[in-house]
Amino acid sequence: DQQVKQNSPSLSVQEGRISILNCDYTNSMFDYFLWYKKYPAEGPTFLISISSIKDKNEDGRFTVFLNKSAKHLSLHIVPSQPGDSAVYFCAASGGSQGNLIFGKGTKLSVKP
Amino acid sequence: DSGVTQTPKHLITATGQRVTLRCSPRSGDLSVYWYQQSLDQGLQFLIQYYNGEERAKGNILERFSAQQFPDLHSELNLSSLELGDSALYFCASRLAGGTGEQFFGPGTRLTVL
Repeated sequence: DQQVKQNSPSLSVQEGRISILNCDYTNSMFDYFLWYKKYPAEGPTFLISISSIKDKNEDGRFTVFLNKSAKHLSLHIVPSQPGDSAVYFCAASGGSQGNLIFGKGTKLSVKP
Repeated sequence: DSGVTQTPKHLITATGQRVTLRCSPRSGDLSVYWYQQSLDQGLQFLIQYYNGEERAKGNILERFSAQQFPDLHSELNLSSLELGDSALYFCASRLAGGTGEQFFGPGTRLTVL
């Protein structure tokens, strides 16, 4: 049973517009949520995280929103740039040892 | 560059064989995590080591084992390989405390023929 789900396998957005990537989770005991970006033939790169006690965290063009009642988080990228084209993974951390549970990813394409 | 190194980058081998994947964590990080990414799958946690000791196990097969050495580098050993073991294997290390972020190496692509 998937504890972290990304229901959209792909998303296409025009350059300069907002990209919204969504993620749902089932386990209310997760204490951190993270977003990673992955280019082909590279390892995942950490983007931004949010604690379960917060509802928003912002870092430059990237903002993550957490809705605990809905068990839902989203990553907003504004403005989107062609270099943002990559696979984005949502992950949750909740075990005492900090292992991450990943969604299957959403492939974002930003068109010039 | 995350500071995490993995070797080799690519590995091609035959069914039934045994391979060893190597990982060096970022300087100062004591925890090493191993993940597997199969086709169309997200990253699946395999196993974690902290300062030489196994701390957590995920979906790791009995044919797979790992260890972390005194210099903190880690090795993932995969034996009796099957076609389905073909995947990307990532190693990550983690800052003590922090907000959960792990820093990933470039991965090893294993192909079992």
